[in-house]
Amino acid sequence: GESVGLHLPTLSVQEGDNSIINCAYSNSASDYFIWYKQESGKGPQFIIDIRSNMDKRQGQRVTVLLNKTVKHLSLQIAATQPGDSAVYFCAENALNRDDKIIFGKGTRLHILP
Amino acid sequence: GAGVSQTPSNKVTEKGKYVELRCDPISGHTALYWYRQSLGQGPEFLIYFQGTGAADDSGLPNDRFFAVRPEGSVSTLKIQRTERGDSAVYLCASSLVIGLLAGLLTNEQFFGPGTRLTVL
Repeated sequence: GESVGLHLPTLSVQEGDNSIINCAYSNSASDYFIWYKQESGKGPQFIIDIRSNMDKRQGQRVTVLLNKTVKHLSLQIAATQPGDSAVYFCAENALNRDDKIIFGKGTRLHILP
Repeated sequence: GAGVSQTPSNKVTEKGKYVELRCDPISGHTALYWYRQSLGQGPEFLIYFQGTGAADDSGLPNDRFFAVRPEGSVSTLKIQRTERGDSAVYLCASSLVIGLLAGLLTNEQFFGPGTRLTVL
């Protein structure tokens, strides 16, 4: 069935290095993808999104890459900082599901000093 | 003004009891969403409202769960005869418009901090 999943549940990165968080999706009809950051005790916070007609989008210190051929999404965080420690979720939406967003399981990002 | 707020922040109840969880969306946001998040999992969609009406309630797990948004702003999620399996964080989100079907570029949902429900 439909699923949005992540390759790794936990990622440890040295402070100052770049982080790459990966995500796979299975619904070919997915049209819109979002990355969320969730800190402990808080709700998810929007980071960046991308439509299926794009393969790359950049924000402040973050880049999302979309490979529709292999149904893969990644979030790159440049110069990782302690404040980046959180759980990161990829999420997807398809036009045939109106605006229902389906979240993946999440990757916990640990920043090593 | 402020972001999405949810009350209470924590709710402990006994099995079989009735609970109500409240969400105050961002002023002017027409769309409101409820999600449930279990430990170690991503949020799971429950229901969303466009204005006062439930546009999609397909995520509600059973008929013990019900949500209302009578004036198109504040929403209440109601759970009857609570079970231990209902324990989770219940998240509310709001967005300005339901944009994807209208061809808009983004549908950013703003989340509240959640209500942690514990059923003993």
